[in-house]
Amino acid sequence: AQTVTQSQPEMSVQEAETVTLSCTYDTSESDYYLFWYKQPPSRQMILVIRQEAYKQQNATENRFSVNFQKAAKSFSLKISDSQLGDAAMYFCAYSTPRGRRETSGSRLTFGEGTQLTVNP
Amino acid sequence: SAVISQKPSRDICQRGTSLTIQCQVDSQVTMMFWYRQQPGQSLTLIATANQGSEATYESGFVIDKFPISRPNLTFSTLTVSNMSPEDSSIYLCSVGHWLGREGYGYTFGSGTRLTVV
Repeated sequence: AQTVTQSQPEMSVQEAETVTLSCTYDTSESDYYLFWYKQPPSRQMILVIRQEAYKQQNATENRFSVNFQKAAKSFSLKISDSQLGDAAMYFCAYSTPRGRRETSGSRLTFGEGTQLTVNP
Repeated sequence: SAVISQKPSRDICQRGTSLTIQCQVDSQVTMMFWYRQQPGQSLTLIATANQGSEATYESGFVIDKFPISRPNLTFSTLTVSNMSPEDSSIYLCSVGHWLGREGYGYTFGSGTRLTVV
């Protein structure tokens, strides 16, 4: 079974600084997706960034980037120029879509989460 | 991407009663997923709801406690039955969908915060 591990229950960063959140996963699949979701106190799950396993290039979304190491099964999230609004719980997640023709796929498997605090 | 309307957003219920949570999607999707998030914890999949067939439950979750309906491709309900304080959690629905060149993604409802007293 696939598992996702986030070894940092809590992290803190100074405003405008850079922080990296760690995530490792275990799978025997070759084609899969990895995600980072942000959950602020409003509890809404917000997609931060997504990475397809067959793409070697690391995904980036503005101040957010990932370091995807497929062989090591590592998927860390780097937040640059941290802002107060980045404070939230961050979840790493994994899925294996069933097929590219289908409109839905398999469920997400989540890590335990990392609570990020941004200090002014 | 799909948009999900989830209701209610929160509720406070008496033990022994039941609560039904609804999720409406603005597009047709084959499967919907129901998650539970206990206080301070991660999301745990309760079941996968497929239109036209019975939901598939994960280990530790049973149909008598969490009956699910999926009458069509845009709607699903999750009922939390015979509630106890241990059922106090956030419940979220989700769908997965292809985003064309952007690949695959998931959309979540806004969650239902349930408190059982």
